[in-house]
Amino acid sequence: DGGITQSPKYLFRKEGQNVTLSCEQNLNHDAMYWYRQDPGQGLRLIYYSQIVNDFQKGDIAEGYSVSREKKESFPLTVTSAQKNPTAFYLCASSTQGQGAEQFFGPGTRLTVL
Amino acid sequence: AQSVAQPEDQVNVAEGNPLTVKCTYSVSGNPYLFWYVQYPNRGLQFLLKYITGDNLVKGSYGFEAEFNKSQTSFHLKKPSALVSDSALYFCAGKSTSGTYKYIFGTGTRLKVLA
Repeated sequence: DGGITQSPKYLFRKEGQNVTLSCEQNLNHDAMYWYRQDPGQGLRLIYYSQIVNDFQKGDIAEGYSVSREKKESFPLTVTSAQKNPTAFYLCASSTQGQGAEQFFGPGTRLTVL
Repeated sequence: AQSVAQPEDQVNVAEGNPLTVKCTYSVSGNPYLFWYVQYPNRGLQFLLKYITGDNLVKGSYGFEAEFNKSQTSFHLKKPSALVSDSALYFCAGKSTSGTYKYIFGTGTRLKVLA
């Protein structure tokens, strides 16, 4: 099956710890995105990548880092510098076409204990 | 600043009645517009999009949306609502000017009552 997967589904972090969220896609999409979803705020863009070994900050990149070493993978690290990391994190991918829709993974719910 | 607005946090409709979920946009140029649906604790699923051409766009599960350039709107509609349509709906826009950023509205929760 073609699709986009995220792991783990639930993640618990102690304050001061870094954690990494996985995102993998087998859709052969060039573009990948990370969003944060909080109640009543919609989706906010953290980072996006249009091509391997290149990525750009989104609207709320502070306290987060990413890498794009492979086309299929776009992991997100939530660092201890992120002051309020408890949220639902969504990964998405799309083709490079301007009118392309995004395909979303099932999400990871991160809770800071 | 570019934005997408969904003015209603929640819409309630009786099963079998028509439904409308509203979306207005402020996106430069001729925008690309999208609707997505999200069920609890799941990712977003694509419903439909407007690129160019016919202002009435048909999508998945019987949904359609009408692009209105003069009113800068892209409302989602369905002639007859189902209880299973109850979910969170997001409108999104993207400029045709070359940016790769999608701009999302804050979402509208649709409740279809049996």
